Amino acid sequence: NAGVTQTPKFRILKIGQSMTLQCTQDMNHNYMYWYRQDPGMGLKLIYYSVGAGITDKGEVPNGYNVSRSTTEDFPLRLELAAPSQTSVYFCASSEQGAGSNQPQHFGDGTRLSIL
Amino acid sequence: QKEVEQDPGPLSVPEGAIVSLNCTYSNSAFQYFMWYRQYSRKGPELLMYTYSSGNKEDGRFTAQVDKSSKYISLFIRDSQPSDSATYLCAMRGGNNRLAFGKGNQVVVIP
Repeated sequence: NAGVTQTPKFRILKIGQSMTLQCTQDMNHNYMYWYRQDPGMGLKLIYYSVGAGITDKGEVPNGYNVSRSTTEDFPLRLELAAPSQTSVYFCASSEQGAGSNQPQHFGDGTRLSIL
Repeated sequence: QKEVEQDPGPLSVPEGAIVSLNCTYSNSAFQYFMWYRQYSRKGPELLMYTYSSGNKEDGRFTAQVDKSSKYISLFIRDSQPSDSATYLCAMRGGNNRLAFGKGNQVVVIP
């Protein structure tokens, strides 16, 4: 029972480089989310998707892009990496929308440092 | 004023003590209230979910919501070392996103 799988677990980038954080879920959930978690700052929503082909911005979308071509996959793209994007990134999925009694299932995160 | 306030200060308690955590919020549209537990180097997992004002118990955990005061609490009875984790409150209003608190790191000392 894999749940939500994120790759890579760790990455160091140089300023200006780009990369894609991968997220895959095997629970056939329609809803998927990307968050960032900075030390002592809780979770901030970057982007979310309510189904294949549908995405929307969260609180902090600047500097990121997403796509949702399949139900299973929800990659997050960083273009022109900046030090302010150093963070831990979490992908999550849920059967129903945020706030229902269906939980959001989180992956174990990608720790990203930009130097 | 932030939507959700949670004092992020670490909390150390001896094994068997009661742990008390709380969050306040400013948006009266919030209707759904959750507590997530996050172990080190792991993603958060849902611990408790409540909808209405009042108390909800699940084993050693009690979630309390007071909508009139915009205040929610989580109590852990008979705390165990395995309860050592960060606890995040979360809540949702009318849109499709959760607002999270900053999280409380709890350490239960054997």
